[in-house]
Amino acid sequence: GENVEQHPSTLSVQEGDSAVIKCTYSDSASNYFPWYKQELGKRPQLIIDIRSNVGEKKDQRIAVTLNKTAKHFSLHITETQPEDSAVYFCAASNFYNAGNMLTFGGGTRLMVKP
Amino acid sequence: ETGVTQTPRHLVMGMTNKKSLKCEQHLGHNAMYWYKQSAKKPLELMFVYSLEERVENNSVPSRFSPECPNSSHLFLHLHTLQPEDSALYLCASSLGQRNEKLFFGSGTQLSVL
Repeated sequence: GENVEQHPSTLSVQEGDSAVIKCTYSDSASNYFPWYKQELGKRPQLIIDIRSNVGEKKDQRIAVTLNKTAKHFSLHITETQPEDSAVYFCAASNFYNAGNMLTFGGGTRLMVKP
Repeated sequence: ETGVTQTPRHLVMGMTNKKSLKCEQHLGHNAMYWYKQSAKKPLELMFVYSLEERVENNSVPSRFSPECPNSSHLFLHLHTLQPEDSALYLCASSLGQRNEKLFFGSGTQLSVL
């Protein structure tokens, strides 16, 4: 089955700096890679996702890049703000296989210092 | 509010108790999920129901028993749990089972004494 590794487990940055979180996956059949954000005491929420037919996707200050050959994908947050502080989870699955479930990474706790 | 409601928010139970967690979604989705979130561990998928058909994670102990009476409601029945079962249990739903956007509930924080 799929195995997703996420690094780092904790990340501390100064407000305004960029943050990068990296994930690797094992199953070459995986083609859907979402990122979820979970603020303290709240539910996880999807913030961005990417499918394997594109190498990069952007949404304002957030971007995700995908390297299918190396089987890794990354979340990039620019101009970080205190409200970006949360735990971020990456995940992977084969979108077209209805029996294939999302496998999540272990999470990265991002702390943005004002 | 994402339209997925879980009750109770907190639950403390002894190892000999029987309790149930409830999840309700008002989004018209056809798939519902139970996830377990433990400290320093990835989100673990426990069960999936799609159009009321169950897809089961084989590593889930039998002391956890799901029930999906219809596409809007999902239960997780608990009996003879162990202290290591203490965790946040999250319910989620999606439009279909093709791993589209998951909408999570707020979770039930379970403590087993």
